[in-house]
Amino acid sequence: EAGVAQSPRYKIIEKRQSVAFWCNPISGHATLYWYQQILGQGPKLLIQFQNNGVVDDSQLPKDRFSAERLKGVDSTLKIQPAKLEDSAVYLCASSLDRDAEAFFGQGTRLTVV
Amino acid sequence: RKEVEQDPGPFNVPEGATVAFNCTYSNSASQSFFWYRQDCRKEPKLLMSVYSSGNEDGRFTAQLNRASQYISLLIRDSKLSDSATYLCVVPYSGGGADGLTFGKGTHLIIQP
Repeated sequence: EAGVAQSPRYKIIEKRQSVAFWCNPISGHATLYWYQQILGQGPKLLIQFQNNGVVDDSQLPKDRFSAERLKGVDSTLKIQPAKLEDSAVYLCASSLDRDAEAFFGQGTRLTVV
Repeated sequence: RKEVEQDPGPFNVPEGATVAFNCTYSNSASQSFFWYRQDCRKEPKLLMSVYSSGNEDGRFTAQLNRASQYISLLIRDSKLSDSATYLCVVPYSGGGADGLTFGKGTHLIIQP
């Protein structure tokens, strides 16, 4: 079974630039998560989708971050404009449903300089 | 507010020893819990799911204490390859505030 796919694996941008990350979840998984993990900390939930609807985006900095899951499958996360403190690994995960175990992609390591 | 607390460690343990660490959570309504393992510069991977009082898988045992709202992870006969960060995960459901909430992780170092 194919796992969660994310791209790119690495990205280096200058502050104030824009960046987008892509995620393809495991087939049939209704729930999709985007997490931000800063070095030395646990993953922090940014946004959770159930099919193509947003369930929780309470910790998403909406002035600069946006995410969509238009057809209930793939998802993109965008940052515009990026700040230095956005440097982190952005992890996408999917699960069959809410409260079920989630499976993670390899993440995108973002460095903002 | 959603809270999952873990002792960050590091726990330095000799190979072959038994080690245990706890995780406390604030949402009494949660029905399922998870332990994930994360190696350096890798994504978290599911280690164990806990749906009732506990679960056992080989050298690993997870126990749930609902009254005190904590989950523990016990590793017996520890191996060098067990060195990793162990993340406690609690689903917080209801009221539009869903999501798997992660603790900050407990760093385990197994020493030869």
